[in-house]
Amino acid sequence: KAGVTQTPRYLIKTRGQQVTLSCSPISGHRSVSWYQQTPGQGLQFLFEYFSETQRNKGNFPGRFSGRQFSNSRSEMNVSTLELGDSALYLCASSLGQGASGANVLTFGAGSRLTVL
Amino acid sequence: AQSVAQPEDQVNVAEGNPLTVKCTYSVSGNPYLFWYVQYPNRGLQFLLKYITGDNLVKGSYGFEAEFNKSQTSFHLKKPSALVSDSALYFCAVRDPGGAGSYQLTFGKGTKLSVIP
Repeated sequence: KAGVTQTPRYLIKTRGQQVTLSCSPISGHRSVSWYQQTPGQGLQFLFEYFSETQRNKGNFPGRFSGRQFSNSRSEMNVSTLELGDSALYLCASSLGQGASGANVLTFGAGSRLTVL
Repeated sequence: AQSVAQPEDQVNVAEGNPLTVKCTYSVSGNPYLFWYVQYPNRGLQFLLKYITGDNLVKGSYGFEAEFNKSQTSFHLKKPSALVSDSALYFCAVRDPGGAGSYQLTFGKGTKLSVIP
């Protein structure tokens, strides 16, 4: 079955601009999580959506936002980009219900954002 | 808060030799532990998880991990390393959020280099 698909794979923006990243989860997965990966901070949790509702949010400023659609596809948006937002943004999907703590997160290949 | 530590930034091992990538954790309650691998310009791939039961967990690509509650460790092992195992390895622990959600808290990662 198809994996987690993230678009675009690479993008370059300038400071002050905004960006929208897209994630299509594995069919049947209702939970979508977003992580930021940087060399300095490693992998950090951004937020998680389940059935179009944000269930959990990491410690990021309000410039980072997201949403989930009825087909479980998710987008994240970063407004007023800063140099420090340059990172690999990873989306992960899971079933998200039942014994959710044991569910495996399946990650996409990521969207690499460069802010100039 | 839950946390994991990977004490080695880099591990070098000769091809054919056994490999170990170390991970220690700090959690309240029962730990749910995971290992992921990341190849260059790729997302994270799931290797194995410990939820409960046998302390020796077998995973993908010949990897296994040993859960040790008294030492709060979850080291990743493989009996015979391949050059293709060279990658970045992440240990993670489930960190419960609210409303049935959870997130993964990752270690900083260990770069494994297998030398031919």
